[in-house]
Amino acid sequence: AQSVTQLGSHVSVSEGALVLLRCNYSSSVPPYLFWYVQYPNQGLQLLLKYTTGATLVKGINGFEAEFKKSETSFHLTKPSAHMSDAAEYFCAVSVPINTDKLIFGTGTRLQVFP
Amino acid sequence: GAVVSQHPSRVICKSGTSVKIECRSLDFQATTMFWYRQFPKQSLMLMATSNEGSKATYEQGVEKDKFLINHASLTLSTLTVTSAHPEDSSFYICSAPRVNTEAFFGQGTRLTVV
Repeated sequence: AQSVTQLGSHVSVSEGALVLLRCNYSSSVPPYLFWYVQYPNQGLQLLLKYTTGATLVKGINGFEAEFKKSETSFHLTKPSAHMSDAAEYFCAVSVPINTDKLIFGTGTRLQVFP
Repeated sequence: GAVVSQHPSRVICKSGTSVKIECRSLDFQATTMFWYRQFPKQSLMLMATSNEGSKATYEQGVEKDKFLINHASLTLSTLTVTSAHPEDSSFYICSAPRVNTEAFFGQGTRLTVV
């Protein structure tokens, strides 16, 4: 079975500061990993995903994440936060045989202060 | 790019009535769609997998008679909340995976049962 744990339901940073959102996963098989962003009352938008290959994945809006198998982690980072980054972020996992079925973490709300 | 449209975005209904939510893939065909439910400040919980031309597959604990799913065409899946009660109030989101790419999410439907 697969599961995702997001440490920290709320993260606050100043504009221009580093953003670090943590995600750890559990999977019995090599996982596919995703980060999604959700703005209020909207659906989810894919930021980036890891399937195979390079463990450092770059996504949209300057975000990136690194797959670390030894740590079972897939933390999301952005060097410099922007006010528009304030949103809810979800980490998700799927398995290669059924990549369409996503298991989501509980989400992290990112606040960005001026 | 691929777009999934969900309608309505908001609906308020009286207790005991039924509400239908539509999920459409606008520029691709989706033989499978997924329905999620999101409680306030919580993650998305997969409710069911909608399969075109066959019965939906429900996750454990989801009442199939209460949450009726119909996937009558390759671009449309509907979720009907029957005999709605206040505890059914939630944010419902659909997703449609596109072959060899990612799953695209609808904008979500905020259901309020009064």
